[in-house]
Amino acid sequence: NAGVTQTPKFQVLKTGQSMTLQCAQDMNHNSMYWYRQDPGMGLRLIYYSASEGTTDKGEVPNGYNVSRLNKREFSLRLESAAPSQTSVYFCASSEADRGVNSPLHFGNGTRLTVT
Amino acid sequence: AQKVTQAQTEISVVEKEDVTLDCVYETRDTTYYLFWYKQPPSGELVFLIRRNSFDEQNEISGRYSWNFQKSTSSFNFTITASQVVDSAVYFCALKPFSGGYNKLIFGAGTRLAVHP
Repeated sequence: NAGVTQTPKFQVLKTGQSMTLQCAQDMNHNSMYWYRQDPGMGLRLIYYSASEGTTDKGEVPNGYNVSRLNKREFSLRLESAAPSQTSVYFCASSEADRGVNSPLHFGNGTRLTVT
Repeated sequence: AQKVTQAQTEISVVEKEDVTLDCVYETRDTTYYLFWYKQPPSGELVFLIRRNSFDEQNEISGRYSWNFQKSTSSFNFTITASQVVDSAVYFCALKPFSGGYNKLIFGAGTRLAVHP
């Protein structure tokens, strides 16, 4: 049971470089999310996709773009990385957007360092 | 404001002690959902429990129990007879029903260290 798979697990970028974080889920979930985790701040929502074909900004979207490629895949792109984007990034999925009892299922995270 | 406060940044206990992790939330919604997640040292986030705002019954699952009190806007988590494997960061999260999407608002987390 793969669940939510994120790649890569680790990445080091130089300021100004770009990269795409990949996420795929095999649970047939409608909704997918990208969070970042920073010390002392919990997890903050970057972008989410309520269903295939839709994406919306979360709490901290600046500097990021997303693509919901299909129902399974939701990628996060950093066009010009900045040191402030050093963080651990988590992808998550859930059964439905307004599901009353649908917990998020998380991937294992991507640890990104921008120098 | 909608927020979750976990005032305890770090807790250190000795094995077999009981420990309570506090969670206080704020929301304007009358319908909302509360969650606890565990993040062990390996880094993944593991779902532990969900509770909706209309169900104030306490819940017990093995050594874990949760106390939900709407009067104090708290959803505290107690581990009885703690074990080293309980060492992790624990996050409390709030999902207000308004907003139209499954947005979780996380607390900053409490790091629990259980020593042998």
